[in-house]
Amino acid sequence: DAMVIQNPRYQVTQFGKPVTLSCSQTLNHNVMYWYQQKSSQAPKLLFHYYDKDFNNEADTPDNFQSRRPNTSFCFLDIRSPGLGDAAMYLCATSRLAGVTYEQYFGPGTRLTVT
Amino acid sequence: GQQVMQIPQYQHVQEGEDFTTYCNSSTTLSNIQWYKQRPGGHPVFLIQLVKSGEVKKQKRLTFQFGEAKKNSSLHITATQTTDVGTYFCAPTRDYGGSQGNLIFGKGTKLSVKP
Repeated sequence: DAMVIQNPRYQVTQFGKPVTLSCSQTLNHNVMYWYQQKSSQAPKLLFHYYDKDFNNEADTPDNFQSRRPNTSFCFLDIRSPGLGDAAMYLCATSRLAGVTYEQYFGPGTRLTVT
Repeated sequence: GQQVMQIPQYQHVQEGEDFTTYCNSSTTLSNIQWYKQRPGGHPVFLIQLVKSGEVKKQKRLTFQFGEAKKNSSLHITATQTTDVGTYFCAPTRDYGGSQGNLIFGKGTKLSVKP
């Protein structure tokens, strides 16, 4: 089945220690998104790729970076995680087709910072 | 920036009762999507509304888009325990360069007492 896969599902890192989260998709979608979701809050968009075009949200901290080496994969790098970065990180994809921008979310990676 | 207000924040119902969540915007929306997130899960797309006054039904769920395209609602008839989760409205951001990006409302968390 076509899907969005995130690895790992749970990640523990130390304060200040770089961490990379990965996302892959078999949907062949043009757009890939990274969201941060804290407990009982809405998903907050960090950035997105339209093909290789990177689009950063204005309020995304510089501490967060992303790479998309090919259509299928996208990575979220947190250069120096702080305690406030502990959250669920959701990857999503969409295919720009007319006015339908339905997003398909992966299961998420729950990041703990110790 | 563009924002939506979603109410109520929480709703507790007895199984079999109806449930409604509302999403309001101060600006006209081009379209709006609805997502459901089960506890511990990821957002799952439910529906997209595009036309003024549009009403769509999915079994016990009824989605409406206001005539002025500034508000939307999701109504669940005769709730079941499987309806438990957080329901997010998510209009599409309406400015160039971020086509397809969603603005998530804060969500309505539904709990259903058997």
